[in-house]
Amino acid sequence: SQQGEEDPQALSIQEGENATMNCSYKTSINNLQWYRQNSGRGLVHLILIRSNEREKHSGRLRVTLDTSKKSSSLLITASRAADTASYFCVRGDGGSARQLTFGSGTQLTVLP
Amino acid sequence: EAQVTQNPRYLITVTGKKLTVTCSQNMNHEYMSWYRQDPGLGLRQIYYSMNVEVTDKGDVPEGYKVSRKEKRNFPLILESPSPNQTSLYFCASSRRVQETQYFGPGTRLLVL
Repeated sequence: SQQGEEDPQALSIQEGENATMNCSYKTSINNLQWYRQNSGRGLVHLILIRSNEREKHSGRLRVTLDTSKKSSSLLITASRAADTASYFCVRGDGGSARQLTFGSGTQLTVLP
Repeated sequence: EAQVTQNPRYLITVTGKKLTVTCSQNMNHEYMSWYRQDPGLGLRQIYYSMNVEVTDKGDVPEGYKVSRKEKRNFPLILESPSPNQTSLYFCASSRRVQETQYFGPGTRLLVL
């Protein structure tokens, strides 16, 4: 499961601002998931979006998926210091039902 | 409470001394996997299991063994640990391979 492309690698914003993280890929997918990891801890699932969906919301989180551009974005609105973490996209590859591909992650720092 | 547990959480050992990291889930999940996380390299899959008695290599299986004799347990075995296996290890489980992954809290291993 090779690394995907996430952009930016690091992002620093002020509390209250919005944070946008992007994930690009090269092959077809069945679905795409976003996870959060607080320093040194296990990953926590945020949202799963299927290949036939374009947008999903969960609280302050909004995920979009553009399969024609092979990209996804995670938007966190009105960020809080507690949102400081690494965020990973994880692709369910379409070519093989056994594959999950992890992105390299975006380190988000929300300054109080 | 639905959870994935790992033990031990921290381990310091010496080169060549066999060790086992246990992983257990209480959600009756079919799919389980092991990852290692190293700075700058993201999460890399070591081994995975689609069901009892069904295991397969991930991206970095060298130096590791696994077994899946029961659905709930998926231990990771290092027969002869070496310093390059110093890492943060995560176990994860899911109902199916491309569905929501539930991660354990991690095991931090130091091999001297």
